[in-house]
Amino acid sequence: EDQVTQSPEALRLQEGESSSLNCSYTVSGLRGLFWYRQDPGKGPEFLFTLYSAGEEKEKERLKATLTKKESFLHITAPKPEDSATYLCAVQAENTDKLIFGTGTRLQVFP
Amino acid sequence: EAGVVQSPRYKIIEKKQPVAFWCNPISGHNTLYWYRQNLGQGPELLIRYENEEAVDDSQLPKDRFSAERLKGVDSTLKIQPAELGDSAVYLCASSTRVDTEAFFGQGTRLTVV
Repeated sequence: EDQVTQSPEALRLQEGESSSLNCSYTVSGLRGLFWYRQDPGKGPEFLFTLYSAGEEKEKERLKATLTKKESFLHITAPKPEDSATYLCAVQAENTDKLIFGTGTRLQVFP
Repeated sequence: EAGVVQSPRYKIIEKKQPVAFWCNPISGHNTLYWYRQNLGQGPELLIRYENEEAVDDSQLPKDRFSAERLKGVDSTLKIQPAELGDSAVYLCASSTRVDTEAFFGQGTRLTVV
C-alpha cells in the first residue's frame, strides 16, 4: 500500500537555527514527490516537485532533496515567517493518485 | 494570474441538511481535484476530473456526496444529507495535467452541528 510518513510532527526552532524535515514514502513506482507549505486557514501552497533520486531544488531558505526512500526539506537560517505546516505528497505511477503525509508543523521563534 | 477560487469560505449547517461548494480552477487547467482535510491531517482525495470526466472517484462516499464539472471548467461538490463527521475543510485544486503540481484554493470550512 502506498504510504507517506512525515517527521517530526512538530518542530520548534530559534530564528537562524537550521534543521531538516523528513518525508519517508512507500510507493510502487514514484512519478513525483511534492512539497507544500500550508498556513493556518489557507490552502496548501506549492513549493517543489522532485522526480528522481539525487534531484535537488532550492527556493530562498528552503532546499528539497530526494532519495529512493525519502525526501528532506532543509531550512537554512529560518525566520519567523517560515512558520507553517509543511506537507509532503507522493504520486504513484500506476494510480496517478496524490497521497499526502500528515505534515510537520514548524514554529520559528525570534 | 488568478488562482483557484472557492466559495463559500465558511459554512455552518445542521445535520441532515444539504450543502454545496463551488470551485473555479485556474484558466487552462484540465485537471481538477476535490480534497477533504480534517484537522491535523493531510488532504485526502475525494474526486479527480480530467476535463469534464470524473476519472477517480473511488474515495467519494457516493451515498451522500456528488460532484459535477460543467463544460470542463467550474465544479460543484454537494453533500446531501450532511452528517456530523463531514465537518472538515474542503479543498479544490487544479493542474495543467495530472503529473504536474496542483494549485489549491483557500478551502471551504464546513461545520455540521
